[in-house]
Amino acid sequence: DAGVIQSPRHEVTEMGQEVTLRCKPISGHDYLFWYRQTMMRGLELLIYFNNNVPIDDSGMPEDRFSAKMPNASFSTLKIQPSEPRDSAVYFCASSGDRVTAFFGQGTRLTVV
Amino acid sequence: GQSLEQPSEVTAVEGAIVQINCTYQTSGFYGLSWYQQHDGGAPTFLSYNGLDGLEETGRFSSFLSRSDSYGYLLLQELQMKDSASYFCAVLLQTGANNLFFGTGTRLTVIP
Repeated sequence: DAGVIQSPRHEVTEMGQEVTLRCKPISGHDYLFWYRQTMMRGLELLIYFNNNVPIDDSGMPEDRFSAKMPNASFSTLKIQPSEPRDSAVYFCASSGDRVTAFFGQGTRLTVV
Repeated sequence: GQSLEQPSEVTAVEGAIVQINCTYQTSGFYGLSWYQQHDGGAPTFLSYNGLDGLEETGRFSSFLSRSDSYGYLLLQELQMKDSASYFCAVLLQTGANNLFFGTGTRLTVIP
């Protein structure tokens, strides 16, 4: 397996634009997590799915953020409209055993 | 809510041993994990403790005491490539599971 795949690796967008981040988890993993990492706040759990169902989205900062998992092999995190304070590295991770999370390489988002 | 405390920075000499502590306050605690992250990279799994005691994986060991809400990561025979950030993370079970990370400890290994 190629591991967790995220796209794009880098995204630069203007304030107010819609941003969509994509993630393909490891095949067979039942859990999928979206994290945001900044120097100030560290690694923040935004939302996680179990068997494609959102379980806990209490970490999603605002209504501007939304996440979907239409099937077991694909998830998106959308920010609309984007703001400069959303600039961060966004990681997707998947897990099959509830213990070990495998992270993608992340998407570095810059909102100008 | 939950909280995790780790030292923000640690410096150690190549070949030495270093211990990174983690204390936690959570509800629905299930286990404690450790992850390593090099600059510009993704977190990678190192170790997990679901029960009290020591888990050893090569040069790395991790310890958990549930009664003290405390754990640590022990790195032996430090190498320059061990310079990275190390995160403890609690695995919670509150009807379902999620993984909550501490703020990380930046380890610098010096010659």
